[in-house]
Amino acid sequence: DTAVSQTPKYLVTQMGNDKSIKCEQNLGHDTMYWYKQDSKKFLKIMFSYNNKELIINETVPNRFSPKSPDKAHLNLHINSLELGDSAVYFCASSQRNEKLFFGSGTQLSVL
Amino acid sequence: TQLLEQSPQFLSIQEGENLTVYCNSSSVFSSLQWYRQEPGEGPVLLVTVVTGGEVKKLKRLTFQFGDARKDSSLHITAAQPGDTGLYLCAAEMNYGGSQGNLIFGKGTKLSVKP
Repeated sequence: DTAVSQTPKYLVTQMGNDKSIKCEQNLGHDTMYWYKQDSKKFLKIMFSYNNKELIINETVPNRFSPKSPDKAHLNLHINSLELGDSAVYFCASSQRNEKLFFGSGTQLSVL
Repeated sequence: TQLLEQSPQFLSIQEGENLTVYCNSSSVFSSLQWYRQEPGEGPVLLVTVVTGGEVKKLKRLTFQFGDARKDSSLHITAAQPGDTGLYLCAAEMNYGGSQGNLIFGKGTKLSVKP
């Protein structure tokens, strides 16, 4: 079974649309994250949630809103998509200070 | 300013060759991690180094943490095509003690040709 799963794998959409990416982890971890990897492969944290509570909120536009309904899920909703939002978005989880487990990514293309 | 500088950015070698990639910073870190990312997948942790001067081996991969805990290197002996991938170093920025605000280097893209 996949430890950290995110859907969809690919997302192609028009500028201005609203879209969501879902993430679930079955590892029992207490912390979940969203990372963004740009076209140059630079990976940067966006958000971190610990036990459904927002811990880290890096400087991202407020069009991006994470939602954690429970410890095992952290979804990412994006409003009014822009061309510059095109990237690969990775969900990850960890247990306290232990290692990160990443999902396989969602490649978002905004046309 | 990039906090973690990785070099080289790209590396293309023949199977059987040795190589070293570097991760440098002007900051001191309590620990440093190395990840490998294959196309279409997320990064996978290879190793965490914690102590200055520490050397860890993972089969043909040797990881070293600098004495001052500002830099690290990854050496691969007798590279194989299966070693192809993006190698990322990462270090933790403390956010209330919660891990996860890892800052990543820009990576070294390694291609090993048969």
